Amino acid sequence: EAGVAQSPRYKIIEKRQSVAFWCNPISGHATLYWYQQILGQGPKLLIQFQNNGVVDDSQLPKDRFSAERLKGVDSTLKIQPAKLEDSAVYLCASSRKGRETQYFGPGTRLLVL
Amino acid sequence: AQKITQTQPGMFVQEKEAVTLDCTYDTSDQSYGLFWYKQPSSGEMIFLIYQGSYDEQNATEGRYSLNFQKARKSANLVISASQLGDSAMYFCAMRVPDVSAGGTSYGKLTFGQGTILTVHP
Repeated sequence: EAGVAQSPRYKIIEKRQSVAFWCNPISGHATLYWYQQILGQGPKLLIQFQNNGVVDDSQLPKDRFSAERLKGVDSTLKIQPAKLEDSAVYLCASSRKGRETQYFGPGTRLLVL
Repeated sequence: AQKITQTQPGMFVQEKEAVTLDCTYDTSDQSYGLFWYKQPSSGEMIFLIYQGSYDEQNATEGRYSLNFQKARKSANLVISASQLGDSAMYFCAMRVPDVSAGGTSYGKLTFGQGTILTVHP
């Protein structure tokens, strides 16, 4: 069974630029999560999807971050415009249902200069 | 609010020895789940073990076991027979039901700060 796929693996941009990350969850997994992990900290949930609907986006900075999950499969997380403090690893995870084990992708390392 | 505390920033262990990584949690919910993940330098979070709050027996998965002490609100990870490949960051995490106006959802994980484990040959 293929794991969670993410791309790109690394991205370097300048502040005020925009960037997008892509995630393909494990086949059949209805729930998809985006986490932000700042260096030296544990991951923090940004947004949770159940199929193509948003379940929790309470910690998503909506003035600059947006996410979508069209057709309930792949998801895209966008930052526009990026700030220096957005430098982090962005992890995508999926689970069959919300109360089951989450499996993570390799993450995207973002550096904002 | 839920909180996970990992008090050991770094731990060292000799190869083939056992090591315990500490985790304490705080929640007012009666139903919750506790997880341990391993994060190597490559960055991927690897699921290791799960313990439900109503599980009476401690969870075990191969060389990993979870020492669950509910009254003390601790969920320590024990790695037996450490291997060089165990060197990584280890995160304890908790999941509780999230009751909102739209119903109850499960999913959000709250993570601790992590413990860096180094295995010496």
